[in-house]
Amino acid sequence: SQQGEEDPQALSIQEGENATMNCSYKTSINNLQWYRQNSGRGLVHLILIRSNEREKHSGRLRVTLDTSKKSSSLLITASRAADTASYFCATDAGNQFYFGTGTSLTVIP
Amino acid sequence: SQTIHQWPATLVQPVGSPLSLECTVEGTSNPNLYWYRQAAGRGLQLLFYSVGIGQISSEVPQNLSASRPQDRQFILSSKKLLLSDSGFYLCAWSFFRAGGGELFFGEGSRLTVL
Repeated sequence: SQQGEEDPQALSIQEGENATMNCSYKTSINNLQWYRQNSGRGLVHLILIRSNEREKHSGRLRVTLDTSKKSSSLLITASRAADTASYFCATDAGNQFYFGTGTSLTVIP
Repeated sequence: SQTIHQWPATLVQPVGSPLSLECTVEGTSNPNLYWYRQAAGRGLQLLFYSVGIGQISSEVPQNLSASRPQDRQFILSSKKLLLSDSGFYLCAWSFFRAGGGELFFGEGSRLTVL
């Protein structure tokens, strides 16, 4: 399977703390993306990092990519209760997009 | 701006009955279209993708099929549902270009097969 894996599967933190989740994948990629899914809803794109980039920032999000280790991390700083959701990494090989298993984040107010 | 519509939002079907889920995209031309399935508490499994009318690629052999009768319409079907077909089905689209881009998702269709 080309599906990646996120780690941890579940994460619970206090509001204001930082949340870090990791993603590992198996094949060569063009880019890696992170998505967010609120319970029972569709996924929403958060950030894309290309294979020739090592780090990218967007607001409170920081993404790193290590293609030698086939891994990426997503850091959410100063978390808020509204950040409670599942987070997925996705890799693309041409026109196909493959998603990881997801990290369920709970931010406690 | 572009929008994606997916329906029905929820359906309960008996084993052996047929299935039709529909997805349409507005505001763009020649999008890539995708069907994913998400089992409860799990990741997304790519079922089908399409880069043009009548062009369907299947990722997983099963009793589901997909069709793209029009540029911005993508349909997921089954002739006879199995219990294992239960799940959350998501349609998505991306701009037609190679080498990367983001996916835009519909709100999903929750299928329960009894």
